[in-house]
Amino acid sequence: AQSVAQPEDQVNVAEGNPLTVKCTYSVSGNPYLFWYVQYPNRGLQFLLKYITGDNLVKGSYGFEAEFNKSQTSFHLKKPSALVSDSALYFCAVRVLYGANNLFFGTGTRLTVIP
Amino acid sequence: EAGVVQSPRYKIIEKKQPVAFWCNPISGHNTLYWYLQNLGQGPELLIRYENEEAVDDSQLPKDRFSAERLKGVDSTLKIQPAELGDSAVYLCASSLDGGNEQFFGPGTRLTVL
Repeated sequence: AQSVAQPEDQVNVAEGNPLTVKCTYSVSGNPYLFWYVQYPNRGLQFLLKYITGDNLVKGSYGFEAEFNKSQTSFHLKKPSALVSDSALYFCAVRVLYGANNLFFGTGTRLTVIP
Repeated sequence: EAGVVQSPRYKIIEKKQPVAFWCNPISGHNTLYWYLQNLGQGPELLIRYENEEAVDDSQLPKDRFSAERLKGVDSTLKIQPAELGDSAVYLCASSLDGGNEQFFGPGTRLTVL
C-alpha cells in the first residue's frame, strides 16, 4: 500500500531564510513523487516531480526537492523564502508501474514571516 | 491554455437534497479525476476516468455518489441524497495520460446544512 507522511502541520520561517517542508513515503515499488501547492480558494498547483535520475529535482518558483531512497524522503526546499510562498503544501506519491493514482499527505501550512 | 474548469465554485444545500458538480478538463487530457478534500486533509481519490471509462471507482460511495463522463471530455459528479458529512471541497483534475502530473481545478466547496 502507498502512503505519504508530512510530519509537520505548520512550518514558520522568516523571509529570506531557507525553508524545508518534510515528506516521507511508503510504497511497494519504485516511487513517483510530487509536490503541489495550494493557495486559498484555489486548486492545487504542480511544483515538481521525481521519476528517476538525479536525486535533486528543481521545480517552479525556485523550489527544489531531494529524493533520498535510503530514508524514503522527498523534502521540499527553497534557499530563500518569500512572503508569497505562504501556502499549503502537499506531497504525493504513486507507484511507477502500477495504478495511476496519487496518494497525498495531509499537508503542511507554510507561513513566511516578513 | 485554459485550465481545468469546475462549477459551481460554491454550493450550499440542505441534507437529503441532490447536488451535482461539473468539470471540464484541459483540452486533450484523456484522464480525469475526482477528489474529495476534507478540511485539513489532503485530497482523496473518488474516481478516475480514462476517456469515458471509469477505471478506478473503488473509493466512490456508490450508494449515494455517481459520476459520468459520457463523451470522454467533461464530467459530472452527483450526490443523492447529500448528508452532513459530505461537506467538503470536491476537486477535479486531469492529466494527459495517467502517468503525467495532474492539473487541478479550483474545486467546488459544498456545504450541507
